[in-house]
Amino acid sequence: KNQVEQSPQSLIILEGKNCTLQCNYTVSPFSNLRWYKQDTGRGPVSLTIMTFSENTKSNGRYTATLDADTKQSSLHITASQLSDSASYICVVTTGAGSYQLTFGKGTKLSVIP
Amino acid sequence: EAGVTQSPTHLIKTRGQQVTLRCSPISGHTSVYWYQQALGLGLQFLLWYDEGEERNRGNFPPRFSGRQFPNYSSELNVNALELEDSALYLCASSSQVRSEQYFGPGTRLTVT
Repeated sequence: KNQVEQSPQSLIILEGKNCTLQCNYTVSPFSNLRWYKQDTGRGPVSLTIMTFSENTKSNGRYTATLDADTKQSSLHITASQLSDSASYICVVTTGAGSYQLTFGKGTKLSVIP
Repeated sequence: EAGVTQSPTHLIKTRGQQVTLRCSPISGHTSVYWYQQALGLGLQFLLWYDEGEERNRGNFPPRFSGRQFPNYSSELNVNALELEDSALYLCASSSQVRSEQYFGPGTRLTVT
């Protein structure tokens, strides 16, 4: 069964600090992995997308890494801002013909002053 | 360029009723996806429409159904509502299969 596990479930950090969110997956066959940011009550917004051959991708203060061998990904947020408070969702796409996305439950990040 | 739009924003229904949610994709996008996000759970894939055809559906009962219109907008219908149907329903669109999905703001459905 395709699964995406994220940790931690929630995280509170001080403004200006860095943090790293984790994602482990057992999706097969693998096509790509995306990180989304979802503000409360809103739709997710894509931060990064990585294919099998990519092991790092940056988007401003967000840097995602992918280890396809261990089936792990991380999202590193540098110099956090209050606006980073949101849920961060890891999504893995299968490469099969049915083309399905498997979503993690997300990590809820709270950045406090 | 307008993003994905959904209506209504919020909806309150009682058990047993039926509901229709609507989604308009980004102009030029032909694929529409529906997801359910219940409290505390990850997004669950519901349905995928492309060029007016249902291409795939997730593990949901038949009372969840939908359609895609010639202008690529889409409806999600849920019959015989149950309490556990309370969730945020998200619609996403993409320009083609396997390309980036852009999400709408969602419809918050509460079943009492």
